[in-house]
Amino acid sequence: QQQVKQSPQSLIVQKGGISIINCAYENTAFDYFPWYQQFPGKGPALLIAIRPDVSEKKEGRFTISFNKSAKQFSLHIMDSQPGDSATYFCAAPGGSSNTGKLIFGQGTTLQVKP
Amino acid sequence: ETGVTQTPRHLVMGMTNKKSLKCEQHLGHNAMYWYKQSAKKPLELMFVYNFKEQTENNSVPSRFSPECPNSSHLFLHLHTLQPEDSALYLCASSPGLNKNIQYFGAGTRLSVL
Repeated sequence: QQQVKQSPQSLIVQKGGISIINCAYENTAFDYFPWYQQFPGKGPALLIAIRPDVSEKKEGRFTISFNKSAKQFSLHIMDSQPGDSATYFCAAPGGSSNTGKLIFGQGTTLQVKP
Repeated sequence: ETGVTQTPRHLVMGMTNKKSLKCEQHLGHNAMYWYKQSAKKPLELMFVYNFKEQTENNSVPSRFSPECPNSSHLFLHLHTLQPEDSALYLCASSPGLNKNIQYFGAGTRLSVL
């Protein structure tokens, strides 16, 4: 059973600080590695995604770093704001190519203190 | 609004009831997915449909019965559920199976009494 290991489980950061969430995957990297943000009572919302042939992608305050050789990728949230307080999930391609499958991490609950 | 709409948002049912969850996507996607989200556990993929054909059943008990009449609509028919089936059920869609960027609905919070 393929797994994606996500850490930490929970994270408390002061406003303006940097939040870092790490994930490790097992499968071959053949498709997108997305990150999702989920607020209570809502479904996961796509935050940012990276292809495995790219080492870094930045969108606003959110950056994904990708290390294909180590099979690790991470999300960095710069200048963290209280509105960023949510649960974050990483995901990696599952199964073989052209299955559309994603394997999700267990989630990281982020709290940004004012 | 993500373009994926799920109804109802909340559902309470007894173990002998029959109910259905509905999902509709307005994104022009061809693939649709059902997931189960339980507390403290990763999202669990249940079913995958591509161009309304089922391509994946992740060993889901037969008390969950999916239906996909077209690429825009997906149903999950529920009958004789167990209390441990209480969870958030999420629907997602993607452009196709060759691109795994999935867009989720808000989910149906199911409670089985």
